[in-house]
Amino acid sequence: EVQLVESGGGLVQPGGSLRLSCAVSGFTFSSYWMHWVRQAPGKGLVWVSRINSDGSSTSYADSVKGRFTISRDNAKNTLYLQMNSLRAEDTAVYYCARVPDYGDYVLLDYWGQGILVTVSS
Amino acid sequence: QSLLTQPPSVSGAPGQRVTISCTGSSSNIGAGYDVHWYQQLPGTAPKLLIYGNSNRPSGVPDRFSGSKSGTSASLAITGLQAEDEADYYCQSYDSSLSGSVFGGGTKLTVL
Repeated sequence: EVQLVESGGGLVQPGGSLRLSCAVSGFTFSSYWMHWVRQAPGKGLVWVSRINSDGSSTSYADSVKGRFTISRDNAKNTLYLQMNSLRAEDTAVYYCARVPDYGDYVLLDYWGQGILVTVSS
Repeated sequence: QSLLTQPPSVSGAPGQRVTISCTGSSSNIGAGYDVHWYQQLPGTAPKLLIYGNSNRPSGVPDRFSGSKSGTSASLAITGLQAEDEADYYCQSYDSSLSGSVFGGGTKLTVL
């Protein structure tokens, strides 16, 4: 069974940092591209970042470029999102999601349950 | 303001048919990129509903169908059921962003 479990969320002050993790199981992690998507309270889905299967290629939304870094450890079956210089507008539930081996590389077939990040003083 | 425009809400009675539109531009849907649809039930993570414009993943009822034409796409739901009450999002790739883009989401209410 495919599982994605996010962790590392919580309350952080503006300007602070946080690292999210997404532990996966049930599939060969090293073969799949991965994404982070966020959802502010009561709002819609917003794409954040993606990484290819070996970590050599990454892409970011303009709103987080230069502040967030996506990475992965294929030996640990874990995806990461390092978030620096956090702002109130980064408050959201963050989801990790998998790109399947069919379709284009923005398609997401499995999602984690999400983890809440709150940026507030 | 998302690059993909969806109506904020739609509604229908049980058994009826509803459609949800997703309007893009020449940098996303109109450029030939695929459209995918997700269903998000209250308090849960999104679930893939339609991929590649019109394909259903295993386990998705055939009451759900997707189509694409020009710079727009549509999700149709027939035989509405109470359990279909959820938020629905379209998604595509946008070349001007060099990344993924989601529609603003549509809340479906089953009357």
